[in-house]
Amino acid sequence: AQSVTQLGSHVSVSEGALVLLRCNYSSSVPPYLFWYVQYPNQGLQLLLKYTTGATLVKGINGFEAEFKKSETSFHLTKPSAHMSDAAEYFCAVTAGTASKLTFGTGTRLQVTL
Amino acid sequence: GAGVSQSPSNKVTEKGKDVELRCDPISGHTALYWYRQSLGQGLEFLIYFQGNSAPDKSGLPSDRFSAERTGGSVSTLTIQRTQQEDSAVYLCASSYGLLESGETQYFGPGTRLLVL
Repeated sequence: AQSVTQLGSHVSVSEGALVLLRCNYSSSVPPYLFWYVQYPNQGLQLLLKYTTGATLVKGINGFEAEFKKSETSFHLTKPSAHMSDAAEYFCAVTAGTASKLTFGTGTRLQVTL
Repeated sequence: GAGVSQSPSNKVTEKGKDVELRCDPISGHTALYWYRQSLGQGLEFLIYFQGNSAPDKSGLPSDRFSAERTGGSVSTLTIQRTQQEDSAVYLCASSYGLLESGETQYFGPGTRLLVL
């Protein structure tokens, strides 16, 4: 079985501050990990993914995430938050032959002036 | 190019009625997935298709839910005798290949279903 835990359902940062959204996974086989962003009344947009190879993954809009097997983590970061980053962020995992994504409960990011 | 499209974007129905939700995947994508997003349950997998076959329908909540895919393209999710707990956003996604091959799922905008 595979699962994802996102710590913090709401995160608030000031514009220009570091963004850190936490994700821990559980999987009995090597996982593939994803971060998606959802703006109000829209579908999910892929920010970045880790499958194999380099553990530091860069995505769109200046986001990046690092796969740390020893910590079973895949935290999402961005050096400097913009107002436009305010949205809900979902971490997801797939592993083995699951052929489906298992999502975390989401983290709503608020960016303040 | 065109992304995943879903129709209708919003649907309001009365309890006990049947509804059909449609998904048009990205052209050439062989895999198609349905998820449900609700306040109480978060994002849940419902079913996926490889071509016209559904190898995994384990997420369908009850036998009131069914889905089909024709021509390796359009998919329809049908909910019979709708209940208020069916109210949710139904998301469709497609991918060129399967997730275990490292493929990416691309999501549509969703259909917001409200059962009165």
